[in-house]
Amino acid sequence: QVQLQESGPGLVKPSETLSLTCTVSGGSLSSYFWSWIRQPPGKGLDWIGNIYYSGSTNYNPSLKSRVTISVDTSKNQFSLKLSSVTAADTAVYYCARAESHGLWYFDYWGQGTLVTVSS
Amino acid sequence: QTVVTQEPSFSVSPGGTVTLTCGLSSGSVSTSYYPSWYQQTPGQAPRTLIYTTNTRSSRVPDRFSGSILGNKAALTITGAQADDESDYYCVLYMGSGISVFGGGTKLTVL
Repeated sequence: QVQLQESGPGLVKPSETLSLTCTVSGGSLSSYFWSWIRQPPGKGLDWIGNIYYSGSTNYNPSLKSRVTISVDTSKNQFSLKLSSVTAADTAVYYCARAESHGLWYFDYWGQGTLVTVSS
Repeated sequence: QTVVTQEPSFSVSPGGTVTLTCGLSSGSVSTSYYPSWYQQTPGQAPRTLIYTTNTRSSRVPDRFSGSILGNKAALTITGAQADDESDYYCVLYMGSGISVFGGGTKLTVL
């Protein structure tokens, strides 16, 4: 059974960079897209971007200038960096696997981690 | 930018049937968008319900079904139960690895 676990600081100061890591267990990163999705308090889900195991990335156009997603296959991890954060970036951040072999959907999700942007 | 539309809220009586929809601000939803549906209860991660328009994920009861209705993707719950009270999100695949979530529908069972 594939499991995903987010980790990283729960509090980030405004203008700094938010950094999160997703550790995948029970399966390899190979041949899948790995995504970051966030949910501000009381609001809906928002796709941030994804990375293929080989390293190619796709980002939400609204966040593209501030987002970097990277992968470390040796550690079975992928990471999110979001720069110049503001209070609007306060959200629960989820990592998820995207099944993309002739179809497209998020089949495994992490439990989510709350990141608060505040001084 | 493409906007994926969902009803903000819906209510259904226990045992009743409800259809939630997922549309596009411009254009029609087809199977080419690989519509998928997710259920989320407060404080929990989303749970995958339906993918590729109408395929139920594992352990999802058959009272949940997906389809294309007119120009939208649809999620139908037949015989709604109290624990179906949740937020429901659709996702459309825009190609080139890009996904867009709908705004979500808050379903009340009462």
